[in-house]
Amino acid sequence: AQSVTQLDSHVSVSEGTPVLLRCNYSSSYSPSLFWYVQHPNKGLQLLLKYTSAATLVKGINGFEAEFKKSETSFHLTKPSAHMSDAAEYFCVVPGAGGYNKLIFGAGTRLAVHP
Amino acid sequence: GAGVSQSPSNKVTEKGKDVELRCDPISGHTALYWYRQRLGQGLEFLIYFQGNSAPDKSGLPSDRFSAERTGESVSTLTIQRTQQEDSAVYLCASSSGGGWGLAKNIQYFGAGTRLSVL
Repeated sequence: AQSVTQLDSHVSVSEGTPVLLRCNYSSSYSPSLFWYVQHPNKGLQLLLKYTSAATLVKGINGFEAEFKKSETSFHLTKPSAHMSDAAEYFCVVPGAGGYNKLIFGAGTRLAVHP
Repeated sequence: GAGVSQSPSNKVTEKGKDVELRCDPISGHTALYWYRQRLGQGLEFLIYFQGNSAPDKSGLPSDRFSAERTGESVSTLTIQRTQQEDSAVYLCASSSGGGWGLAKNIQYFGAGTRLSVL
């Protein structure tokens, strides 16, 4: 069965420093993978998606993620954090039924300090 | 509309009462999804609609939970005889649907309804 594990429930960085949010996946095949972001009192927004076209995926707001099959990882990175990046981030994989049933990780709360 | 709209944004109810949560999907989106997000946890899939039919209800936690969709538009999630463990944020999403490609299946989320059962 497909699943994702987010390795950190909370990450705290200083503004201007790099961000790393870690996600490992479990799948019997090479899956599609997504990162969503949830700002307080707002809906989830798709940050980026991996669909096997290219292993390094660029998303919105300067975020990117690299699919590493050998490590079963899909970590989210950003070179320089901004205060507005403070939010909850979810790593997501489609379930066995396909895109109609998404499986979410537990989430990583990113705090950005001045 | 411009995005997925959910109402109410907050709902406080007493244990044992019934509640209805509403979702207005993006206009023209044929697929609609309900998720539950408990405090500090990821989202749990509840149910998926394609048009007015629900091919997958596997995530509904008990028979107290039901959902319907009419006019291939608005959906209502109903929780009967609410319990304290039903307290959560209930999120709705929609996608254009109707195909296998990823582009048709990207899910766009509403801001959710925060349900508190006292």
